[in-house]
Amino acid sequence: AQTVTQSQPEMSVQEAETVTLSCTYDTSESDYYLFWYKQPPSRQMILVIRQEAYKQQNATENRFSVNFQKAAKSFSLKISDSQLGDAAMYFCASNNAGNMLTFGGGTRLMVKP
Amino acid sequence: KAGVTQTPRYLIKTRGQQVTLSCSPISGHRSVSWYQQTPGQGLQFLFEYFSETQRNKGNFPGRFSGRQFSNSRSEMNVSTLELGDSALYLCASSLEWTLNEKLFFGSGTQLSVL
Repeated sequence: AQTVTQSQPEMSVQEAETVTLSCTYDTSESDYYLFWYKQPPSRQMILVIRQEAYKQQNATENRFSVNFQKAAKSFSLKISDSQLGDAAMYFCASNNAGNMLTFGGGTRLMVKP
Repeated sequence: KAGVTQTPRYLIKTRGQQVTLSCSPISGHRSVSWYQQTPGQGLQFLFEYFSETQRNKGNFPGRFSGRQFSNSRSEMNVSTLELGDSALYLCASSLEWTLNEKLFFGSGTQLSVL
């Protein structure tokens, strides 16, 4: 079974600064994908970024980038130039079968003006 | 294009009752999956459907069931409700059923069991 662990229940960052959210995972599969989802107060989960495990190059989406360390089974999310709208719950997730995601416990990100 | 629509948004039931939640995927999407979100257990996978067939099922009792219709709309049913079934139920849709699909989530149905 897959497990995903987010060790930071809560993080805060100053507006315009950079913050890194941590995630570790465990899987015995060789083919899998990793995701970061954002859940604002509206409750709707929004995909932030995804990484294919067989790709060594770290994924980047505008201000969001990941540091994927396959051997260490680590998948952290870096948010640059933090904005007030980035405040939300962030969930790390892995997927190795269809759309069956395994989620971490989440990290609440607060952005201070 | 309309997003994933879940109805109702809020629901209050009593123990022992049954409930049906509905999910309309984005037009053209053929895969629907369901998740339960609670403060204690976090986000847990319930089941997923593709082409009206259940493809995977999470570790939930048989009281939790679902189905998908020919137009890809999906429903999930919980029978003999328990207090612990109080949760946010999220539905997600995707175009196909492959490993790297981008999932689009609805805003969920908040179920309260009294």
